[in-house]
Amino acid sequence: TQLLEQSPQFLSIQEGENLTVYCNSSSVFSSLQWYRQEPGEGPVLLVTVVTGGEVKKLKRLTFQFGDARKDSSLHITAAQPGDTGLYLCAFGNEKLTFGTGTRLTIIP
Amino acid sequence: DTAVSQTPKYLVTQMGNDKSIKCEQNLGHDTMYWYKQDSKKFLKIMFSYNNKELIINETVPNRFSPKSPDKAHLNLHINSLELGDSAVYFCASSPRLAVQTDTQYFGPGTRLTVL
Repeated sequence: TQLLEQSPQFLSIQEGENLTVYCNSSSVFSSLQWYRQEPGEGPVLLVTVVTGGEVKKLKRLTFQFGDARKDSSLHITAAQPGDTGLYLCAFGNEKLTFGTGTRLTIIP
Repeated sequence: DTAVSQTPKYLVTQMGNDKSIKCEQNLGHDTMYWYKQDSKKFLKIMFSYNNKELIINETVPNRFSPKSPDKAHLNLHINSLELGDSAVYFCASSPRLAVQTDTQYFGPGTRLTVL
């Protein structure tokens, strides 16, 4: 059983569409992080959310931390091919525990 | 300048061999990590070091032995390689230990294939 379940596992959409991916758990977290991993590269931090209900925006990406701090979502507006990658949520301090990941493909 | 670098990028070897992967960070961070990413892209921590001291050993077989000669380097030696060791291994670093809002910076990964 994974502590952080991400959905969907795979998502393939056309350029210009909007999408939302989810990170869910039955545990409460003091913070969550989102990483993006492009093919052949290591994960890169996108954002850290720390307050229940918090919304953070990074250009076309909107991150939300659930009110109960058990889940988080990532919404991408007008997806572009450069958004293609593996999106990972993670929590932890001494060590990062990663979610199961969403593999996103944006079709030009 | 590359922040976290790993060598080699690709490693193909036979079962039973011994191999090493090297990692260096030029960020001045205190803490370094090794992660393993399997074929399903699941990323799991193996070890963490803080100022050359082992902090986390996440039930990794004894065949895996990390070594940190100084806080900028964390190498991973693997003895008697097995088929199941095939994966991508990522090194990472962070400024301090146990600060959950800190960023971890990952290297580009080493793809290990055991034949």
